[in-house]
Amino acid sequence: DTEVTQTPKHLVMGMTNKKSLKCEQHMGHRAMYWYKQKAKKPPELMFVYSYEKLSINESVPSRFSPECPNSSLLNLHLHALQPEDSALYLCASSQASGLADSYEQYFGPGTRLTVT
Amino acid sequence: AQRVTQPEKLLSVFKGAPVELKCNYSYSGSPELFWYVQYSRQRLQLLLRHISRESIKGFTADLNKGETSFHLKKPFAQEEDSAMYYCALRGKDTGRRALTFGSGTRLQVQP
Repeated sequence: DTEVTQTPKHLVMGMTNKKSLKCEQHMGHRAMYWYKQKAKKPPELMFVYSYEKLSINESVPSRFSPECPNSSLLNLHLHALQPEDSALYLCASSQASGLADSYEQYFGPGTRLTVT
Repeated sequence: AQRVTQPEKLLSVFKGAPVELKCNYSYSGSPELFWYVQYSRQRLQLLLRHISRESIKGFTADLNKGETSFHLKKPFAQEEDSAMYYCALRGKDTGRRALTFGSGTRLQVQP
């Protein structure tokens, strides 16, 4: 299995709602990532987990709360979002050791989030 | 800070014409550079990594440290090459863990 799966595909939420995005991989990867991609823009890194521990937080607002309950799962909990948070949220995974000649991030299809 | 620049938002060529997608980077040290591609309605996927010096789907990219460039080239474009192409760098700003992407170039290959 060489796929990263993400659920849901689409999510519409109000500014007072609480929702979660889910990401799963079964490739044995120990590094997992959340990226945010606005329309016609490149992916922007939000968080990196390495061996289930948060290793990078790119100054993301606290209304986004990541969680890595085990080596295969990555969640992104959302609360009190703003309309400008509407975007495609991409999950990715890779080997944690990341040797240059074999390093590859595998991306999921994304969750398209609309905040109303 | 590490940065990747792709100066062209859109590159339109005819089938069979040569293609060059430009990528320049800013990084102090030895970068690891990649090209990722996103075909219509498909997920982002790796096309090339500089260290492998391989040719994938006829595409090649050479790292030029003097010009800090990693341009993607193909001698004869095919219609199926139409996609969004992102140049990406893995460097110490993100602990050599995550990728910094350029803004992307959309390649349109016309029949």
